[in-house]
Amino acid sequence: QQQVKQSPQSLIVQKGGISIINCAYENTAFDYFPWYQQFPGKGPALLIAIRPDVSEKKEGRFTISFNKSAKQFSLHIMDSQPGDSATYFCAASISWGVDKLIFGTGTRLQVFP
Amino acid sequence: NAGVTQTPKFQVLKTGQSMTLQCAQDMNHNSMYWYRQDPGMGLRLIYYSASEGTTDKGEVPNGYNVSRLNKREFSLRLESAAPSQTSVYFCASTQGQGLGETQYFGPGTRLLVL
Repeated sequence: QQQVKQSPQSLIVQKGGISIINCAYENTAFDYFPWYQQFPGKGPALLIAIRPDVSEKKEGRFTISFNKSAKQFSLHIMDSQPGDSATYFCAASISWGVDKLIFGTGTRLQVFP
Repeated sequence: NAGVTQTPKFQVLKTGQSMTLQCAQDMNHNSMYWYRQDPGMGLRLIYYSASEGTTDKGEVPNGYNVSRLNKREFSLRLESAAPSQTSVYFCASTQGQGLGETQYFGPGTRLLVL
């Protein structure tokens, strides 16, 4: 049961370009939406997260846009760099009690110089 | 401060063999998790432990058992390995206060079942 749908599966971007990854969720009880970044051979690491009381959150070159009515959220990477090449996972959870994250299927981003 | 550590890094098993994946965290976290990662499937929760002494099933618990040995350690056991359990296994931990917390992941164990 895939409750968080992520697209695209892979993305190729030129250095300096904008990378956009989209996610859609089904469960309206979700109230915490993190993005995790994973480099080859490593475990995922939290990149940025948002709650549904705001429509946008920005941290450096990374921005989450959130549309509660559409049940969608997206990650924008501005001025993409080769060092951003990694797999990105969106996730969602109900934040009271134990955080049981439901992950999207991942997007492999490649940034070419 | 090593964070979350996992052993072994890589393991090859034959169908029917058993093994235990070990996980330890040194962040004094209350909650710990086991995930499996498969191509095109993202990460799926196998079992979790909200606090020392408690464990619960996640999304894909069949074929696995867990033990929360103490606050630091959370192990995952495959009693009779099957090729479908070929995957990368990640352990993670959080403070356990809910409210949307960062999950800290270990480096993973790559398991191949022949």
